[in-house]
Amino acid sequence: GENVEQHPSTLSVQEGDSAVIKCTYSDSASNYFPWYKQELGKRPQLIIDIRSNVGEKKDQRIAVTLNKTAKHFSLHITETQPEDSAVYFCAAFPRGSGGSNYKLTFGKGTLLTVNP
Amino acid sequence: KAGVTQTPRYLIKTRGQQVTLSCSPISGHRSVSWYQQTPGQGLQFLFEYFSETQRNKGNFPGRFSGRQFSNSRSEMNVSTLELGDSALYLCASSFAGGASTDTQYFGPGTRLTVL
Repeated sequence: GENVEQHPSTLSVQEGDSAVIKCTYSDSASNYFPWYKQELGKRPQLIIDIRSNVGEKKDQRIAVTLNKTAKHFSLHITETQPEDSAVYFCAAFPRGSGGSNYKLTFGKGTLLTVNP
Repeated sequence: KAGVTQTPRYLIKTRGQQVTLSCSPISGHRSVSWYQQTPGQGLQFLFEYFSETQRNKGNFPGRFSGRQFSNSRSEMNVSTLELGDSALYLCASSFAGGASTDTQYFGPGTRLTVL
């Protein structure tokens, strides 16, 4: 089955700096890669996602890059703000045809702390 | 559209008891997945239901079971509770109509504490 590794497990940055979180996956059948942000005591919220036919996607201060050959993808947050402090999870998902492989496999999460 | 809802939000049980958790997906969503979240193991997949059928199951013992109703609402049941079952149980729904509709949206979770 799919295995997703996420690094680093904790990341501390100063407000205004950039933050980068990296993930690798093992199953070449995975073709959808969402990123979730989970604030303390709240549900995971989708912040950005990317599909395997795209190499990069941006949404304001956040961007995700995907290298299918190397099987890794990264989350980039620029101009970090204290409200970006949360746990971030990457995940991998197989081709969207349903069936027995229809599940998200998550990384272990990265605790991001943005210091004012 | 209303988001994914879960009930109850908090539960305290003792070892050996059983518990039933409920999840109502976003209207129109046909797939419901369940995940267990613990500090040590992160988010682990339990099972996924689509059109009242369990399509996929994670590596959890048979004490963990679930079902889905015709209106897509889903329940999960844990029998003979153990201390290690204490966790946040999250459900997520998606339309599951193809690659562009696979995005999963999470409910607020049910915090289960086993004493």
